[in-house]
Amino acid sequence: QVQLVQSGAEVKKPGASLKVSCKASGYTFASYTMHWVRQAPGQGLEWMGWINAGNGNTKYSEKLQGRVTITRDTSASIAYMELGSLRSEDTAVYYCARGVGSPRDVWGQGTTVTVSS
Amino acid sequence: DIHMTQSPSSLSASVGDRVTITCRANQTISSSLSWYQQKPGRAPKLLIYAASSLQSDVPPRFSGSGSGTDFTLTIRSLQPEDFATYYCLQSYSVFYAFGQGTKLEIK
Repeated sequence: QVQLVQSGAEVKKPGASLKVSCKASGYTFASYTMHWVRQAPGQGLEWMGWINAGNGNTKYSEKLQGRVTITRDTSASIAYMELGSLRSEDTAVYYCARGVGSPRDVWGQGTTVTVSS
Repeated sequence: DIHMTQSPSSLSASVGDRVTITCRANQTISSSLSWYQQKPGRAPKLLIYAASSLQSDVPPRFSGSGSGTDFTLTIRSLQPEDFATYYCLQSYSVFYAFGQGTKLEIK
């Protein structure tokens, strides 16, 4: 079955960088766009960006532009989200999701990231 | 930027009630609007896509309507498992955006 499995929880210090992985299985990885969405504690969902897993094209939210980078390894069916210059406000659960807003919508289990000194 | 405004931000209702949540875009998004349900500690679940299409395995008491800038999610005959937070999402622009959410609580 279609599945997205994310890497484990992380604790980072302010100013550090973060890299979360999302391994896809059960479908042709390159045929879909992968999105990243985050949710700070007690807050709403925030769309971060997407990557076209086939051609590698990306789009990022204006708020995170310059700090976030989404990449993929098509041979391993893995998408990555890197976030730099971490600050306490980046503490959140980070989700990868295929086909957001479409009937082919599938989400990962979420990765909890804590930024604290 | 396309911004999505949901209302109300919270709502109290009883089992069996009919509730409506609205979502407004600051510019036209055609029918590129979906609705998600999220329960604590869980990933969001897609309910409605393309403004009014019901995702498979979603009960028919959920329905969506609207186009352009104004959209609604209606839940007929609330069930105990429907108490959750609901989000709209626009996918018209390449820069997607969620509404701020509506928390549906038991009265």
